[in-house]
Amino acid sequence: DTEVTQTPKHLVMGMTNKKSLKCEQHMGHRAMYWYKQKAKKPPELMFVYSYEKLSINESVPSRFSPECPNSSLLNLHLHALQPEDSALYLCASSLTTGTPETQYFGPGTRLLVL
Amino acid sequence: AQSVTQLGSHVSVSEGALVLLRCNYSSSVPPYLFWYVQYPNQGLQLLLKYTTGATLVKGINGFEAEFKKSETSFHLTKPSAHMSDAAEYFCAVRLTGANNLFFGTGTRLTVIP
Repeated sequence: DTEVTQTPKHLVMGMTNKKSLKCEQHMGHRAMYWYKQKAKKPPELMFVYSYEKLSINESVPSRFSPECPNSSLLNLHLHALQPEDSALYLCASSLTTGTPETQYFGPGTRLLVL
Repeated sequence: AQSVTQLGSHVSVSEGALVLLRCNYSSSVPPYLFWYVQYPNQGLQLLLKYTTGATLVKGINGFEAEFKKSETSFHLTKPSAHMSDAAEYFCAVRLTGANNLFFGTGTRLTVIP
C-alpha cells in the first residue's frame, strides 16, 4: 500500500476562519512533507517533518502552522489566510528524508480563500 | 545552485506516436532524478527515478528515461502514446543530503486521437 490520504478534498474559507488540513499514511514512513502548488506551477516545499520533528520550514508565514501528532499523521492548521494562499496543498511522505527515497504524494486539498 | 529546465511547457502528440519530454538539470554533482505525473485534479504519481547504476530507467505505464551525465539530461520517453497519457509531467531533482525535491515547471502532454 503506497497511499497517502488527505482530507478534505476541497475547502473554502474566509480570511478570518480557522481550519485544518489532514494527511495520513500507514506505510511506516518517518518523513512527511507539505507542498503548496499554485495553478499551472510546480509544487513548492513548505515544511518537512522527520521522526515527528519539524526539520525544514521554508520561510512559510506563521498563518500556516504544521503539526505532526504521530508518525502517521500530519496536520496543517490555517488561520487568517489571504486570498493569495488559494492553492492545491499536497502532502507527501517518504521512508526517511534520505535523498534517494521516493516521496509519495496524496491527492491534495484544493483550498479557496475568499 | 541546482535548477531543472523542462523544455516545452506544452507538448502535443498523436495517439500511437513517440512521446519525448525533455528535462535538463544544472548541478555540479549529479543529483537524484525523478519524473512525476499529475492527472487533472490529482496529486503527483512517481513514474520513475534514477539514483545510481543503470542509466536507462524503466518506469510505470511504459515510460522510460535515460540519464546522460555528459548532457546533464534526463529525458522521458514512451514509444507509443495513449489517450490516457494526457497529463502534466514534472521532472524533479534532489541533491545528496538535501531535503528539498526541486521541481521543473512542468510539461503538459496532450494526446490527439
